[in-house]
Amino acid sequence: SAVISQKPSRDICQRGTSLTIQCQVDSQVTMMFWYRQQPGQSLTLIATANQGSEATYESGFVIDKFPISRPNLTFSTLTVSNMSPEDSSIYLCSVATGTGNQPQHFGDGTRLSIL
Amino acid sequence: RKEVEQDPGPFNVPEGATVAFNCTYSNSASQSFFWYRQDCRKEPKLLMSVYSSGNEDGRFTAQLNRASQYISLLIRDSKLSDSATYLCVVNQGGKLIFGQGTELSVKP
Repeated sequence: SAVISQKPSRDICQRGTSLTIQCQVDSQVTMMFWYRQQPGQSLTLIATANQGSEATYESGFVIDKFPISRPNLTFSTLTVSNMSPEDSSIYLCSVATGTGNQPQHFGDGTRLSIL
Repeated sequence: RKEVEQDPGPFNVPEGATVAFNCTYSNSASQSFFWYRQDCRKEPKLLMSVYSSGNEDGRFTAQLNRASQYISLLIRDSKLSDSATYLCVVNQGGKLIFGQGTELSVKP
């Protein structure tokens, strides 16, 4: 399966700042997604990163807070904007090589703490 | 009601035990189903896909009952290395919906 690299692996940030997380895949993939895992919780889909167009956001997530880019089939970024302590989470990107019913494979995550 | 519900756990079992996890989902239009494993402070990793006919991978057996909207995972001969959180995952229109996970701890 594809090798998925996320940067940074962890960070501690001040409230009110923004952080951009990168997700790089070693092969072209059809679908890329961004998830959040809050402490003690399961994963929640933030958005689907669409290549060459605006991301598709899930209910409760907006572009102003979580802008996403996907300039090509191997790379995507997620920015967490104007951070507050409630944004302290693990952020994960995932990829699927097909469409529809395929499983997804995850990067190793970015552990973000907001002071 | 949550879209995907799992036994809350934790399950504490001795080595060699057989353990079963249950999961139900609410959307009958769900298209595909998976079990993922997540170790502490790590990313989820695909354990196996789940099919109506049932499927087995070594000590792991997964089963899907579409009529009851029920998914199960059976682990036989538990190993210490099986200790992890097991996530029941449902695919709805290309989007994965995760259960809250069931924690398994296998003790010597």
